[in-house]
Amino acid sequence: TQLLEQSPQFLSIQEGENLTVYCNSSSVFSSLQWYRQEPGEGPVLLVTVVTGGEVKKLKRLTFQFGDARKDSSLHITAAQPGDTGLYLCAGEETNAGKSTFGDGTTLTVKP
Amino acid sequence: DAGVIQSPRHEVTEMGQEVTLRCKPISGHDYLFWYRQTMMRGLELLIYFNNNVPIDDSGMPEDRFSAKMPNASFSTLKIQPSEPRDSAVYFCASSPGGGDYGYTFGSGTRLTVV
Repeated sequence: TQLLEQSPQFLSIQEGENLTVYCNSSSVFSSLQWYRQEPGEGPVLLVTVVTGGEVKKLKRLTFQFGDARKDSSLHITAAQPGDTGLYLCAGEETNAGKSTFGDGTTLTVKP
Repeated sequence: DAGVIQSPRHEVTEMGQEVTLRCKPISGHDYLFWYRQTMMRGLELLIYFNNNVPIDDSGMPEDRFSAKMPNASFSTLKIQPSEPRDSAVYFCASSPGGGDYGYTFGSGTRLTVV
């Protein structure tokens, strides 16, 4: 059983469209991170959310942490081909010292 | 800072051979993690260290895998003997304070065992 479920698994859209990807769990997390990974490289940290209900914005990306700290979403406005990649969420259960990763959403943005 | 440095970037070896992967974490980061990524299983945590001490090795597949961190600037992951099912991308990551602070990943080592 995967601790963090990400959906959708694959997403292919046209440049300019909006999209939302989700990260869900039955566990409570002290924090949750979103990463983007490009082919041949390691994941790169985009954001960390720590407070239930927290919303963070990074240019066209909006991240939200669920009120109960069990889930999160990533919304991209006006997607661009440069947004293409594997988006991974990761969470640390309280005092675990380590993060568990979801399986990721593979996003393709076509010009 | 040059980031987390892993070597080699690619490794092709024959079944039964010993493989050693290397990692230099970011200076000042107290946590070091070894992950393995495959299409089937995604990113799996193998082992992590805090201040050079192994804290959790429950993800190490079996006795063929071992990891060391002799000092704050160097870690190795060794597979002996290697098997085809060990083929994967192995990532090292470091963090100033564990999962809550997020990780900085290296570029990975793509291991192919034939």
